[in-house]
Amino acid sequence: ELKVEQNPLFLSMQEGKNYTIYCNYSTTSDRLYWYRQDPGKSLESLFVLLSNGAVKQEGRLMASLDTKARLSTLHITAAVHDLSATYFCAVDSRYNNNDMRFGAGTRLTVKP
Amino acid sequence: DTAVSQTPKYLVTQMGNDKSIKCEQNLGHDTMYWYKQDSKKFLKIMFSYNNKELIINETVPNRFSPKSPDKAHLNLHINSLELGDSAVYFCASSLTSGGPFIQYFGPGTRLLVL
Repeated sequence: ELKVEQNPLFLSMQEGKNYTIYCNYSTTSDRLYWYRQDPGKSLESLFVLLSNGAVKQEGRLMASLDTKARLSTLHITAAVHDLSATYFCAVDSRYNNNDMRFGAGTRLTVKP
Repeated sequence: DTAVSQTPKYLVTQMGNDKSIKCEQNLGHDTMYWYKQDSKKFLKIMFSYNNKELIINETVPNRFSPKSPDKAHLNLHINSLELGDSAVYFCASSLTSGGPFIQYFGPGTRLLVL
């Protein structure tokens, strides 16, 4: 069964600091996704990572994928308050009937 | 123009009732999805439709039935609502034939079953 684990689940950090959110998954996957969700809002797609070694960056966020380790990271550089949100990773896999599984989410709070 | 729209945004109803949630996308995407987010914010995919064919049917109760009249619409019908169905339901769409696979989400429908 495809399982996705994120850590940490809660992250409080100061503005200007760097931090990394980790996403581990249990079986071979085709695509790994990162999403952002603000409180009471919908989800926003941040990145889709398709292959081993893929790296994508948007502003202060950078996502990478290591398919051999079954690990993706979301790195936050010089955090700002506007990045406060919940971040989800998700994985889908043809080896699991194209099922998509989400991590539990990381609730990020950036303090001034 | 809204890319992915859902109606209604809020739905309060009694146990045992039947209700539908509608979803429309104007992005020309070939795949549409329904997700459920519970009170603990856990997300679960329920269904997806690709070119009017169901390609994922997660282990949801058969009280839930997706209906897609065309590739721009994917409606969710729920029979005999139960208390545990209370959640936020998100519709999404993406282009999967050749990528880029990015999903665009609707605003969500907040369902409360009393």
